[in-house]
Amino acid sequence: DVKVTQSSRYLVKRTGEKVFLECVQDMDHENMFWYRQDPGLGLRLIYFSYDVKMKEKGDIPEGYSVSREKKERFSLILESASTNQTSMYLCASSFLGRVYEQYFGPGTRLTVT
Amino acid sequence: RKEVEQDPGPFNVPEGATVAFNCTYSNSASQSFFWYRQDCRKEPKLLMSVYSSGNEDGRFTAQLNRASQYISLLIRDSKLSDSATYLCVVTLGGTSYGKLTFGQGTILTVHP
Repeated sequence: DVKVTQSSRYLVKRTGEKVFLECVQDMDHENMFWYRQDPGLGLRLIYFSYDVKMKEKGDIPEGYSVSREKKERFSLILESASTNQTSMYLCASSFLGRVYEQYFGPGTRLTVT
Repeated sequence: RKEVEQDPGPFNVPEGATVAFNCTYSNSASQSFFWYRQDCRKEPKLLMSVYSSGNEDGRFTAQLNRASQYISLLIRDSKLSDSATYLCVVTLGGTSYGKLTFGQGTILTVHP
């Protein structure tokens, strides 16, 4: 079974803190993605990566950055957390030729106070 | 206008009922279409692809109308276990490349 794990299920941070969200997949997938999910807005793509050290902006990259130093690991960084970044963050991965079949991690519920 | 729009529901139906959801997309260049399912407090999972010719998988039927730019999902003989949020998904880049755009989801509750 494909497994995508995220470092925390719940996280509470203060405004202005630097926040790291980690994602690891064990299926040798080339593609990795970071989404946020908010009520009424659905899943929105923040960043994605199709190879080590490669990254592409999604629909809402502002306020975020990413890092992919190893194939299995994709990190999302909030440089200076703000209250409007309170959300559920979901990581996903897929094979390069099957972008539509994404496997999601369990999510991290981030609260910024 | 949102790229992908769904009726958020909730749809409350009894077991055994047939229920249908629609989804509209705004970009006529969209190439591929899918339905994902997300159980309460769980991650989304791919349910099925949507083809112009229609696609059936057991009790689930998905259809695409390119002219009207909408996608539908029909569930026959609903089960309690079908209760979930159904996410309509569209991509510009086909099945092998690009990013997915998700609708906000339609909530289905099947009751005894």
